[in-house]
Amino acid sequence: EIVLTQSPGTLSLSPGERATLSCRASQSVSSSYLAWYQQKPGQSPRLLIYGASSRATGIPDRFSGSGSGTDFTLTISRLEPEDFAVYYCQQYGSSPEITFGQGTRLEIK
Amino acid sequence: EVQLVASGGGLVKPGGSLRLSCAASGFTFSTYSMTWVRQAPGKGLEWVSSISPTGTYMYYADSVKGRFTISRDNAKNSLYLQMNSLRAEDTAVYYCARDAVEGGWSYYFDYWGQGTLVTVSS
Repeated sequence: EIVLTQSPGTLSLSPGERATLSCRASQSVSSSYLAWYQQKPGQSPRLLIYGASSRATGIPDRFSGSGSGTDFTLTISRLEPEDFAVYYCQQYGSSPEITFGQGTRLEIK
Repeated sequence: EVQLVASGGGLVKPGGSLRLSCAASGFTFSTYSMTWVRQAPGKGLEWVSSISPTGTYMYYADSVKGRFTISRDNAKNSLYLQMNSLRAEDTAVYYCARDAVEGGWSYYFDYWGQGTLVTVSS
């Protein structure tokens, strides 16, 4: 099973700042099968990024994804108040096997 | 508008059974793979099971294999999860989610239901 490790566990930043969230896989992941989600308290997850770097429909361009192999990054260029949430990376492997990272909590500093 | 409405959660004793449903609307249900994802209280997301558009292919996480059964009724635009031999560690909010690519498998999910809470406790 491919394990996804997200860091940091919690990120404290102010609105307007840049956020960089990391997702590291225990084995190489096809970029086609790496996604990022945002989840706010009491809400369902929301797809942000798929294929490692493609924004989902309606996602603002301040969100961007990058990376390949075992290291992937979600960047939020300028934080808006509504961006403070928990972020999860997710991958698909063979079998099929779908795994999520443990999440990064982005909180207001 | 795409809508997924999950239902059927509740309190059940260890060893008991429960059947979750997910009613879909706003899209051609029969052409999309569907998935169940769960989230234990205060924890992260865990993939549970997926099913192909026609129901031919079904996949399960090791943690539920042999205990849970995913199914769908395309005539009723509904997805189901039959959960047997429930354990305390199955306690979670269960989300139904739509695969993002019509007719195939992308293994990422563009629409999610609101979730239904399953509590396994004596």
